[in-house]
Amino acid sequence: AQTVTQSQPEMSVQEAETVTLSCTYDTSESDYYLFWYKQPPSRQMILVIRQEAYKQQNATENRFSVNFQKAAKSFSLKISDSQLGDAAMYFCAYSQGGYGNNRKLIWGLGTSLAVNP
Amino acid sequence: NAGVTQTPKFRVLKTGQSMTLLCAQDMNHEYMYWYRQDPGMGLRLIHYSVGEGTTAKGEVPDGYNVSRLKKQNFLLGLESAAPSQTSVYFCASRSDRGDGYTFGSGTRLTVV
Repeated sequence: AQTVTQSQPEMSVQEAETVTLSCTYDTSESDYYLFWYKQPPSRQMILVIRQEAYKQQNATENRFSVNFQKAAKSFSLKISDSQLGDAAMYFCAYSQGGYGNNRKLIWGLGTSLAVNP
Repeated sequence: NAGVTQTPKFRVLKTGQSMTLLCAQDMNHEYMYWYRQDPGMGLRLIHYSVGEGTTAKGEVPDGYNVSRLKKQNFLLGLESAAPSQTSVYFCASRSDRGDGYTFGSGTRLTVV
């Protein structure tokens, strides 16, 4: 069975600095997707970034980027130039790829990120 | 705005009461999901649907029922609420492509 592990329950960063959130996963599949979701106090679940396993290039979305190490099954999120609005719970998630399956999300337990002014 | 709409946003139930949570999406997505989120336990899948008229059990289906009579709607029912069902419930949908899921804003349910 697939699993997702986030080993950092809490982290903090100074405003304008860079922080990296860790995520490891376990799967025997070759076709899958990885996601980072942000959940601010409003509790809305917001997609931050996604990575397709067959793509070697690391995904980037503005100040957010990932370090995808497929062999090591590692998928870390880097937030550059941290802003107060980045303070939230961040979840790493895995989904099997391919058509014809349910592709349900497997979730990590989350990392609570505090941004200090 | 296109997206996933959940109703209600908050609800307090007495033990033994029943209720239905409604999830509606206007993106023509095939797949829909119901999750519950509890402190320290992340999100857990309750039930899901891979298309109109289909439903399947997730990790924690006991005490819940679902229906997908129309493609855009996915209903979650609690027949006899228990305090253990106090949680935040999220509905999500996705297309058949590998895009990320779209989530509703959640329903905070308290069972007393």
